[in-house]
Amino acid sequence: SQQGEEDPQALSIQEGENATMNCSYKTSINNLQWYRQNSGRGLVHLILIRSNEREKHSGRLRVTLDTSKKSSSLLITASRAADTASYFCATDAGDAGGTSYGKLTFGQGTILTVHP
Amino acid sequence: EAGVVQSPRYKIIEKKQPVAFWCNPISGHNTLYWYLQNLGQGPELLIRYENEEAVDDSQLPKDRFSAERLKGVDSTLKIQPAELGDSAVYLCASSLWPGPFYEQYFGPGTRLTVT
Repeated sequence: SQQGEEDPQALSIQEGENATMNCSYKTSINNLQWYRQNSGRGLVHLILIRSNEREKHSGRLRVTLDTSKKSSSLLITASRAADTASYFCATDAGDAGGTSYGKLTFGQGTILTVHP
Repeated sequence: EAGVVQSPRYKIIEKKQPVAFWCNPISGHNTLYWYLQNLGQGPELLIRYENEEAVDDSQLPKDRFSAERLKGVDSTLKIQPAELGDSAVYLCASSLWPGPFYEQYFGPGTRLTVT
């Protein structure tokens, strides 16, 4: 079963624009991760944010996490045609003490198309 | 560093036939995962190994699916007999867990078509 829901299901933008994808989940988490999947390279880990963090940056990526709303967003700034891919959020549930279960539950993904 | 290796990359079989997928994880990774990914969906966990032990196989359809991880390294996922609904991409991933980093590393997948 899928843990998260991602919004939008598909996003089409022009090169240079920013892309924002959202993820909502249902249970408490230890961390939340974002992955990218394209036909050339398969699933690749992009960034991880822990449950006690609110924002994280990596290059052109910015991730936010709101555990009170059980939601996360991924922002890609200054998009490029090479960013065209499917983006998945994945939650790593944890116990009450915050220990990871080491098991990821993926959302259904957002298909991003960046036009040159 | 070599990534997760899977073979074959593509497989076409007729229904009721058996099929097997092989995975070689990243060297040193103790945890191995098999996922199923249907078209337009995110990966869904089938089974998770910590070393040789299957610690989570609750989503594995045990009437037709089986898996093994010999000596805590390579793993094989088998379907017997295959059904039309088994057509999907089968992904293998590995990680070092528990550890300071929780990300999983995925192989390219095996695309199975059952006719």
